[in-house]
Amino acid sequence: GEDVEQSLFLSVREGDSSVINCTYTDSSSTYLYWYKQEPGAGLQLLTYIFSNMDMKQDQRLTVLLNKKDKHLSLRIADTQTGDSAIYFCAESKGAAGNKLTFGGGTRVLVKP
Amino acid sequence: GAVVSQHPSWVICKSGTSVKIECRSLDFQATTMFWYRQFPKQSLMLMATSNEGSKATYEQGVEKDKFLINHASLTLSTLTVTSAHPEDSSFYICSAIGLADNEQFFGPGTRLTVL
Repeated sequence: GEDVEQSLFLSVREGDSSVINCTYTDSSSTYLYWYKQEPGAGLQLLTYIFSNMDMKQDQRLTVLLNKKDKHLSLRIADTQTGDSAIYFCAESKGAAGNKLTFGGGTRVLVKP
Repeated sequence: GAVVSQHPSWVICKSGTSVKIECRSLDFQATTMFWYRQFPKQSLMLMATSNEGSKATYEQGVEKDKFLINHASLTLSTLTVTSAHPEDSSFYICSAIGLADNEQFFGPGTRLTVL
């Protein structure tokens, strides 16, 4: 079956880089996503990567994909207090927008 | 980006009553909407996929008679929790996919508390 796993918690100092890791089991995953959820709110799509890509960079965000190891990471450069939130990785198969399987979420706490 | 709203944002109800949650795509037509459930400090679990004009497809283990989904138009899907019980208390989130877009746009969620 499908399984997406993440570490539960990450604490980082303001200005440092944050790296959030995710592993998945389904090799047929086509799209891999990173979402941000702030307290009491819905999900905000941060970025996504196609499974045939190794890396994608978007401003402060860098996504690395190791398809062989089924490992996905999100690096946030110059982490700010506003980056404190829960970050979910997710995967889907086929076209983007198909049903998503989410990891358990990583709670990121940015300390001043 | 596209906006998805949910109403109400929170609701408290008595055990045994039914509660309806609305999910609307405000500035685009949504061919498909998804309903998720999120328990405290846990991930989102897909409950069902709702396509306009057809019956919803429920995930394994989700009671279709308890969680009634109606997708009557391209901008509105509703989730009705029938005969709610305290174990139904949760955060319910919907998402929508537009005709042209492949991205899922998420609503802000509805927190349901059943007393």
